[in-house]
Amino acid sequence: ETGVTQSPTHLIKTRGQQVTLRCSSQSGHNTVSWYQQALGQGPQFIFQYYREEENGRGNFPPRFSGLQFPNYSSELNVNALELDDSALYLCASTWAGSTEAFFGQGTRLTVV
Amino acid sequence: DAKTTQPNSMESNEEEPVHLPCNHSTISGTDYIHWYRQLPSQGPEYVIHGLTSNVNNRMASLAIAEDRKSSTLILHRATLRDAAVYYCILLYPGTASKLTFGTGTRLQVTL
Repeated sequence: ETGVTQSPTHLIKTRGQQVTLRCSSQSGHNTVSWYQQALGQGPQFIFQYYREEENGRGNFPPRFSGLQFPNYSSELNVNALELDDSALYLCASTWAGSTEAFFGQGTRLTVV
Repeated sequence: DAKTTQPNSMESNEEEPVHLPCNHSTISGTDYIHWYRQLPSQGPEYVIHGLTSNVNNRMASLAIAEDRKSSTLILHRATLRDAAVYYCILLYPGTASKLTFGTGTRLQVTL
């Protein structure tokens, strides 16, 4: 039990639509990161938020965006969904100076 | 980012020790070596990390080569619950949540 919860657990969307995925972190975790994991691959870093500001981004287009809120929750938004966006989306949280990241169980997104 | 190389898969018998290797020949002096594992249908979980010295915790041991170009994660007695994908990751201090995952080693544990 990591104390990081994600919702929903599964989601089906149509190509071109927009989606919002949610993550709730442990109290005190001021850093949250999002990852995309395609089938059979390791997770790929999308971006990180620290104290509600984006603080690092992987090789993902601007249609992937995020928000972090003061209550330790965060969102990942994806616009103009493409079939290749079908993946497991993982949220991880930690605090500045920590050596360990805590992951949620992920949201499985299917784009049809 | 410095890269790591791991075998795609390994097998072990239950209650036997398992040694999972990782090569990181381009590691920099400040990179920490972290290991995470991902059980089926779950998010990754932290296992252990180290810089230069060997490390032990309740889950595993980490043996780091003297030149730091390789390391080995040791599970002392594998159980069926240890069947997972194990990832070896290099991290600059203070970047605990900016993880660069490779494809990892899929560990199968059999009775």
